[in-house]
Amino acid sequence: EPEVTQTPSHQVTQMGQEVILRCVPISNHLYFYWYRQILGQKVEFLVSFYNNEISEKSEIFDDQFSVERPDGSNFTLKIRSTKLEDSAMYFCASRLGQGSEAFFGQGTRLTVV
Amino acid sequence: DQQVKQNSPSLSVQEGRISILNCDYTNSMFDYFLWYKKYPAEGPTFLISISSIKDKNEDGRFTVFLNKSAKHLSLHIVPSQPGDSAVYFCAASGALSGAGSYQLTFGKGTKLSVIP
Repeated sequence: EPEVTQTPSHQVTQMGQEVILRCVPISNHLYFYWYRQILGQKVEFLVSFYNNEISEKSEIFDDQFSVERPDGSNFTLKIRSTKLEDSAMYFCASRLGQGSEAFFGQGTRLTVV
Repeated sequence: DQQVKQNSPSLSVQEGRISILNCDYTNSMFDYFLWYKKYPAEGPTFLISISSIKDKNEDGRFTVFLNKSAKHLSLHIVPSQPGDSAVYFCAASGALSGAGSYQLTFGKGTKLSVIP
């Protein structure tokens, strides 16, 4: 069964460092998303990506964040200068179309120290 | 501004009984609703969905009901099993900001515990 895969599963980084979280969405999907979940809180939308560009982003997704789909398969989230409050589980998701379910990866646990 | 609300943070149910998880939404532009199940340290797993043109969708032990006039949906699990113990998230999607997004907006989740 096709699945969304994320790497690494756990990333520890020092405050101020750059991190790149990687995702391989399901191959024929068209919509791509990043979400995050801070421990004990709800799953929050960060950004959506469609037709090779950002289609929507939340207030959380400030200038420190960027996304790329460099080669038509990988979908990456970059945080330029991490802060302590960026510590969270980051989930990538993909979706075939508007009226279909989104499939989530297993997540990357980011710990900023 | 919580557009999708799950007002019960937790629910305990006896094995074999019905579990009913509730969700309310405020944005009338939502037209597709989903339920996800989530275990700790794992990604959300899709359970069942319903389009706004329907009022019920059933899949095995899981049934989702949609009441558009009340902006309310519910997930029924019957019979409940201990393996159903997890956090359940309600999510909604719609053309909130034009084509190309259709992001899922999640509720805060309800932790279901099924007691053997």
